[in-house]
Amino acid sequence: ETGVTQSPTHLIKTRGQQVTLRCSSQSGHNTVSWYQQALGQGPQFIFQYYREEENGRGNFPPRFSGLQFPNYSSELNVNALELDDSALYLCASSSSTGVAYGYTFGSGTRLTVV
Amino acid sequence: GQNIDQPTEMTATEGAIVQINCTYQTSGFNGLFWYQQHAGEAPTFLSYNVLDGLEEKGRFSSFLSRSKGYSYLLLKELQMKDSASYLCARNPNSGGYQKVTFGIGTKLQVIP
Repeated sequence: ETGVTQSPTHLIKTRGQQVTLRCSSQSGHNTVSWYQQALGQGPQFIFQYYREEENGRGNFPPRFSGLQFPNYSSELNVNALELDDSALYLCASSSSTGVAYGYTFGSGTRLTVV
Repeated sequence: GQNIDQPTEMTATEGAIVQINCTYQTSGFNGLFWYQQHAGEAPTFLSYNVLDGLEEKGRFSSFLSRSKGYSYLLLKELQMKDSASYLCARNPNSGGYQKVTFGIGTKLQVIP
């Protein structure tokens, strides 16, 4: 059983640029959630995808968008990057029928905006 | 984290017992997660409580009181490797995972 894979692991971008982060969910999981974790903070919910549709969104502006593909993998896109977007971006996969087992997180993508 | 409170830091001695508390907003609540996160790593699932009471898993136990909006994580026989952040997270839904909200995390330092 494979875990959650995220790419890239580290990324440096310039303010105003666009970035795409990728996530492969754990085998058997059909739901992907994205979180932003600033240094010293808890993860903040960005959005969740289920069956290729957005299934809940946190307090993030529309320049944060995503996709889920038929194989349940997912992308997070951020346009017009701002310095405050610098953070660890975590992808979490889960099964819609396995609430008690929680999320399986990927190792994250460390994004630095300069 | 939104509507979740937990201490930011705690220190405990190797071999001892430590209790990490978490309070949360009770309205629209359906379950409470605890995750462990070592520095620079992803969070890993520890427990999920839906009903009141204590659930034990080896050295780790988690308690929930839904009426009080209160949970704690109990770590026994502390080991140096238990030094990590412990995240309390609230599940607001009866099914699925929409908007699971995390606290800021409690950074636990285990000292010899």
